[in-house]
Amino acid sequence: GAVVSQHPSRVICKSGTSVKIECRSLDFQATTMFWYRQFPKQSLMLMATSNEGSKATYEQGVEKDKFLINHASLTLSTLTVTSAHPEDSSFYICSANKWDFTEAFFGQGTRLTVV
Amino acid sequence: EDQVTQSPEALRLQEGESSSLNCSYTVSGLRGLFWYRQDPGKGPEFLFTLYSAGEEKEKERLKATLTKKESFLHITAPKPEDSATYLCAVPLPGANNLFFGTGTRLTVIP
Repeated sequence: GAVVSQHPSRVICKSGTSVKIECRSLDFQATTMFWYRQFPKQSLMLMATSNEGSKATYEQGVEKDKFLINHASLTLSTLTVTSAHPEDSSFYICSANKWDFTEAFFGQGTRLTVV
Repeated sequence: EDQVTQSPEALRLQEGESSSLNCSYTVSGLRGLFWYRQDPGKGPEFLFTLYSAGEEKEKERLKATLTKKESFLHITAPKPEDSATYLCAVPLPGANNLFFGTGTRLTVIP
């Protein structure tokens, strides 16, 4: 079964609204989770590192005020796309590593479409 | 500069036609090389982690091998259900996230 669960799998929203995506690690506690973005036929690009109990670390070029990350517990991280615009439409994927980094698991992904 | 390069970009095989996918890396202090399978509209599915040159791991029709400069994913007698994008990734020095190659899109024709 899934080790990392991501919800929703698909969401359509209107421009200017906000969307929250949840990522849960089911089998282990994850002090760190990662959020990636993937454009069609391209590979995954890291957006930010979500740290339990502290602020997220964002990659260069990623707007932290637009992509709000909250890691409130050892099993849940959320990504909120605020004031969404059509250019935010993409496939968003979260991941979590086992503590010894022997395995890194990914959620099912969320297809966001902003209309 | 740290790099992960996958080849070929796309590969079409007849069912039963074995082949290999390549992942070349230039990362100092390799802490693991990860292989994933990704189906359209889905998140990557973990396949293998390799840690040291000479290491091999197998899963069904897939076998991953590692040298000091590259990794191969060998697919033996593939079936149409093996069609997917195969991604390799490494953790960059000092980081715990994965840096991905661009992937190989594999299509297996019945």
